[in-house]
Amino acid sequence: GENVEQHPSTLSVQEGDSAVIKCTYSDSASNYFPWYKQELGKRPQLIIDIRSNVGEKKDQRIAVTLNKTAKHFSLHITETQPEDSAVYFCAANNGNQFYFGTGTSLTVIP
Amino acid sequence: DAGVTQSPTHLIKTRGQQVTLRCSPISGHKSVSWYQQVLGQGPQFIFQYYEKEERGRGNFPDRFSARQFPNYSSELNVNALLLGDSALYLCASSLGTPEAFFGQGTRLTVV
Repeated sequence: GENVEQHPSTLSVQEGDSAVIKCTYSDSASNYFPWYKQELGKRPQLIIDIRSNVGEKKDQRIAVTLNKTAKHFSLHITETQPEDSAVYFCAANNGNQFYFGTGTSLTVIP
Repeated sequence: DAGVTQSPTHLIKTRGQQVTLRCSPISGHKSVSWYQQVLGQGPQFIFQYYEKEERGRGNFPDRFSARQFPNYSSELNVNALLLGDSALYLCASSLGTPEAFFGQGTRLTVV
């Protein structure tokens, strides 16, 4: 089956700086890679996703990059704000189910 | 615009009891998946249903079962509860495409 690893587990940045979270996957059949933001006690919210036929996707301050050859994908958040503080999960879908990373707790320090 | 709704939001059960969790997908979504999220970890896949048929099952014991109704809502049942079943149970719905949208979850505590 698929194995998704996510790093770092915790990340602290100053407000206005950039944050990068990285994930690797093992199943070459995986073709859809979403990122979810989960605030304490709330549901995971889909913030951006990328499919395997695309190398990069941007949506305002967030972007995701995918390297199919190396089997890794990354989330980039620029100009971070305190409201970006949350736990972020990456996931990979191999056509059957989602496999989630273990999460990154991001803290943006004002 | 109603999102994915789950009930109840919180639940406390005793070891050995049985529990039923409910999920209503986004209108028009025919696929429902269930996930278990233990504190500090990512969600783990339990089941997927599409058009009332089981499409996938994760690595969970037979104590876990689910079904999907004609209106596409779904129930997750867990029998013979163990302390280790304490978790946030998330339901996600989709149109059948990969994009999945989560409900707020049911926080199950087994004592």
